[in-house]
Amino acid sequence: KAGVTQTPRYLIKTRGQQVTLSCSPISGHRSVSWYQQTPGQGLQFLFEYFSETQRNKGNFPGRFSGRQFSNSRSEMNVSTLELGDSALYLCASSSQTGNTGELFFGEGSRLTVL
Amino acid sequence: QQQVKQSPQSLIVQKGGISIINCAYENTAFDYFPWYQQFPGKGPALLIAIRPDVSEKKEGRFTISFNKSAKQFSLHIMDSQPGDSATYFCAANSPGTYKYIFGTGTRLKVLA
Repeated sequence: KAGVTQTPRYLIKTRGQQVTLSCSPISGHRSVSWYQQTPGQGLQFLFEYFSETQRNKGNFPGRFSGRQFSNSRSEMNVSTLELGDSALYLCASSSQTGNTGELFFGEGSRLTVL
Repeated sequence: QQQVKQSPQSLIVQKGGISIINCAYENTAFDYFPWYQQFPGKGPALLIAIRPDVSEKKEGRFTISFNKSAKQFSLHIMDSQPGDSATYFCAANSPGTYKYIFGTGTRLKVLA
């Protein structure tokens, strides 16, 4: 069974640009979450989607947005990039319809903002 | 109240020794406490998890100890091996939120 796939794996952008990251969950998983990982901050929750509906959103500015498609694939977008947005963005999928369950993480998309 | 505080930030242990990582939380609504292991260049992977109705859970060399009254939980790695060298994250989750609160991570290095 294929794992969570994130694309692109690495990207470099400049301040003010926007970026779109993609995530394909494990087949059959309907829940997709996004986390930002930075050194010293751990993993910060961005948002979670289930069946195309955002069920929760973290404390990030409106420049961070996401969506989920009918096939459970998800994208996140960051507009007007800032230097502080440089991070590893992790996508995780879960088969649980309820609140808890194992998160299966992808390898992440490493974004560098210059 | 939503934070999970993790310590130490880094840990060096001799092969065969015991590695101990601690986490503390404030939110009494948390009811699921997993530990994730992350190797360089990889995403985190679930190692072991516990719910507050038990005080300890053991899986192989990995044990979670849970103290509900103190709002603390810890990961013990017995007979630590160089292959255990990784970053470990504790996390917590509460019903209805659909999100996990992660600690800041502990970088473990096991010396051969």
